Amino acid sequence: EIVLTQSPASLSVSPGDRATLSCRASQSISSNLAWYQQKPGQAPRLLIYGASTRATGIPPTFSGSGSGTEFTLTISSLQSEDSAHYYCQQYNNWPRTFGQGTKVEIK
Amino acid sequence: QVQLVESGGGVVQPGGSLRLSCAASGFSFSLYGMHWVRQAPGKGLEWVAFIAFYGSNEDYADSVKGRFTISRDNSKYTLFLQMNSLRAEDTAVYYCAKRLKLGTDAFDVWGLGTVVTVSS
Repeated sequence: EIVLTQSPASLSVSPGDRATLSCRASQSISSNLAWYQQKPGQAPRLLIYGASTRATGIPPTFSGSGSGTEFTLTISSLQSEDSAHYYCQQYNNWPRTFGQGTKVEIK
Repeated sequence: QVQLVESGGGVVQPGGSLRLSCAASGFSFSLYGMHWVRQAPGKGLEWVAFIAFYGSNEDYADSVKGRFTISRDNSKYTLFLQMNSLRAEDTAVYYCAKRLKLGTDAFDVWGLGTVVTVSS
């Protein structure tokens, strides 16, 4: 099973600043990685797939990068509505697995 | 619009069974693989099961293998999860989710979830 390790566990950022979230895979997963945003009481929302392709309707403030074992989600110019948990997920191997999540808070 | 609506959750005793349903609308259900994902209270996301668009290819997380069965009725645009021998650790919100496209198992459509509580 591929283990995804996200860092940091939590992040507090001022409005307008940039947030950088990391996801590390226990073995190479090529570019088969997705990122999700989840707000309290809501279902997750797909942000990024293929490590760097924004999903439909996702603003360019969200960007993804990386391949192999190291991946990054960058949220530029954070707004209050970006406060949420963020999860990475790999789909290179079965079983599909998620990282444990990063909580982003706005100061 | 594209929508998934889960139902069938509830409170069940350990060792009991439940059958979850997920009604799909707004897209060609029979053309897409589908998944179940769960989230225990206060915890992260855990993938549970997958079924291919044609229904005969399935996969399961080790934690539910042999106890849960995923199935689908393409004529009724409905996905199912039969859960047997339930344990306390199966307590979670259960989401159904649509595969983005063949070869890309990112989940682009999610339901709102149905709550399963396993408790005596």
